[in-house]
Amino acid sequence: DGGITQSPKYLFRKEGQNVTLSCEQNLNHDAMYWYRQDPGQGLRLIYYSQIVNDFQKGDIAEGYSVSREKKESFPLTVTSAQKNPTAFYLCASSKRVGGFSEQYFGPGTRLTVT
Amino acid sequence: AQSVSQHNHHVILSEAASLELGCNYSYGGTVNLFWYVQYPGQHLQLLLKYFSGDPLVKGIKGFEAEFIKSKFSFNLRKPSVQWSDTAEYFCAVNLNTGTASKLTFGTGTRLQVTL
Repeated sequence: DGGITQSPKYLFRKEGQNVTLSCEQNLNHDAMYWYRQDPGQGLRLIYYSQIVNDFQKGDIAEGYSVSREKKESFPLTVTSAQKNPTAFYLCASSKRVGGFSEQYFGPGTRLTVT
Repeated sequence: AQSVSQHNHHVILSEAASLELGCNYSYGGTVNLFWYVQYPGQHLQLLLKYFSGDPLVKGIKGFEAEFIKSKFSFNLRKPSVQWSDTAEYFCAVNLNTGTASKLTFGTGTRLQVTL
């Protein structure tokens, strides 16, 4: 089955700790994305990557970091610098970055920081 | 910067009622438009999309949307909703520049269909 997997589904961390969220896709897509979803705010783009070893900041990149060492993988690290890390995080991929390419989403990771 | 507005935050309908969810965007150039749906406990999935051509777009599960360029709108419609349509619906816009670009999402509309 082709698709996007995110793990874990639920994640709990103490304030001050960095945490890494996993995202893997087997769709052979070039582009990958990380979004944050908060109630009443829709989805906001954190980072995106067009190809391996390249990524760009989205609208709310502060306090987050990413890497793209393999085409299939795009992990997101929520650092202790992120002021409001508790949220639902969604990973997506598309054949390429651009208007003609729809995005496919993973199931999401719900992060709770206390 | 482009933005997307969904004015209906929470809509409650009885089964068999007709549905129209509003979506307006702010950008004067060429755009690609999408509606995504998030059923309870499920992945966000594509409902329908508009790239060019016929402004009336048909999607899955009987949904359709009409692109009205003069009104910067892409409203979602369904003639008769079912209980299983209970979900959150997101409108999204992508600038058609042919280069690196990204989706901008609206804040979502939560649809609750009652029996």
